[in-house]
Amino acid sequence: AQSVTQPDIHITVSEGASLELRCNYSYGATPYLFWYVQSPGQGLQLLLKYFSGDTLVQGIKGFEAEFKRSQSSFNLRKPSVHWSDAAEYFCAVGAGSNFGNEKLTFGTGTRLTIIP
Amino acid sequence: DAEITQSPRHKITETGRQVTLACHQTWNHNNMFWYRQDLGHGLRLIHYSYGVHDTNKGEVSDGYSVSRSNTEDLPLTLESAASSQTSVYFCASSEDRLQETQYFGPGTRLLVL
Repeated sequence: AQSVTQPDIHITVSEGASLELRCNYSYGATPYLFWYVQSPGQGLQLLLKYFSGDTLVQGIKGFEAEFKRSQSSFNLRKPSVHWSDAAEYFCAVGAGSNFGNEKLTFGTGTRLTIIP
Repeated sequence: DAEITQSPRHKITETGRQVTLACHQTWNHNNMFWYRQDLGHGLRLIHYSYGVHDTNKGEVSDGYSVSRSNTEDLPLTLESAASSQTSVYFCASSEDRLQETQYFGPGTRLLVL
């Protein structure tokens, strides 16, 4: 069964600084990887996803993530954070099946705080 | 615009009562999912459905049930609410092509006293 680890529970970053959120996955085959963001009191919104091909994936709001098979990682990055990026971030892994869409396994999330 | 809605948004109930949380989507998605979100656990899958009359147990299905009588709705029922089921519940839906994006509802905050 697949699993996801987000080792950082809480990260604080100054506005304008760069950001990297870590995600490590465990899965026997090629994984399907996702990053979701949750603003306070809201549902989850997809930032980006990786299925195959180019290992550097661009998403919305200026985020990108890089798939590294050798490290079983899919870290999320942003070169310059904005106060509006303060939120909870979830990494998720899915497995393909003959049905098509398979269920996702989520990490425990990383809460991002932005300071002026 | 197509959307996914949940009702109620907030619910307080007593231990032992039956509670049903509604989830309705207008995308005509075949796949629908229920998750619960708790501190330190992230989102955990309760039940999911790949189409009408199809239901499957997820990671934390004990004490919950779902039924899928049409494409648009997947109600989640707590048969006999327990304090351990106090949580925030999210419904999601997706198309049935391989690994399509799951779209989430706004959530229902449930308190079991």
